[in-house]
Amino acid sequence: KAGVTQTPRYLIKTRGQQVTLSCSPISGHRSVSWYQQTPGQGLQFLFEYFSETQRNKGNFPGRFSGRQFSNSRSEMNVSTLELGDSALYLCASSLTSGRVGEQFFGPGTRLTVL
Amino acid sequence: AQRVTQPEKLLSVFKGAPVELKCNYSYSGSPELFWYVQYSRQRLQLLLRHISRESIKGFTADLNKGETSFHLKKPFAQEEDSAMYYCALPNTGNQFYFGTGTSLTVIP
Repeated sequence: KAGVTQTPRYLIKTRGQQVTLSCSPISGHRSVSWYQQTPGQGLQFLFEYFSETQRNKGNFPGRFSGRQFSNSRSEMNVSTLELGDSALYLCASSLTSGRVGEQFFGPGTRLTVL
Repeated sequence: AQRVTQPEKLLSVFKGAPVELKCNYSYSGSPELFWYVQYSRQRLQLLLRHISRESIKGFTADLNKGETSFHLKKPFAQEEDSAMYYCALPNTGNQFYFGTGTSLTVIP
């Protein structure tokens, strides 16, 4: 079974630009969660999508948004990029939501904001 | 507020020595706790979850509600155990609170 894939793997943007990251979950998984990983803050939850609906949201500004498509693929968007948005963005998929299950992580997208 | 604390950023032990990675949590209610591991150049992956009460790769973790801890232990460390370890506490759905991680180095 193919694992979680994320594209692109690396991205360099400048302040003020916007960016879209993509995540394809494991086949059959309907829950996709996004995390921001930085050396100082560690892994911080952004949001979770299940069956095209946002189920949970972390404590991030409205510049961070996401969506999920009918095939469970998910995208996250960051608008008006700031230097502090430089991070590794991880996507995780899970079979279900509402009952805690194992999360399978992707390799991440490394975003650098200049 | 729910929180996970891993007090040690770095931990080094010699091969064959016991290892304990500390995790403390703050949670009202009966928590489920997880340990995730990230080996060099690999993805973050589940190591074990307390509800399954199993030993994975020789690691065990016991939930101590009195001390609000979920320390990860292994009696004899191996070189392949060198990795980054994260303790995690789920909130609703698949929202997890992760600790800041402990980097374990096993010295040959």
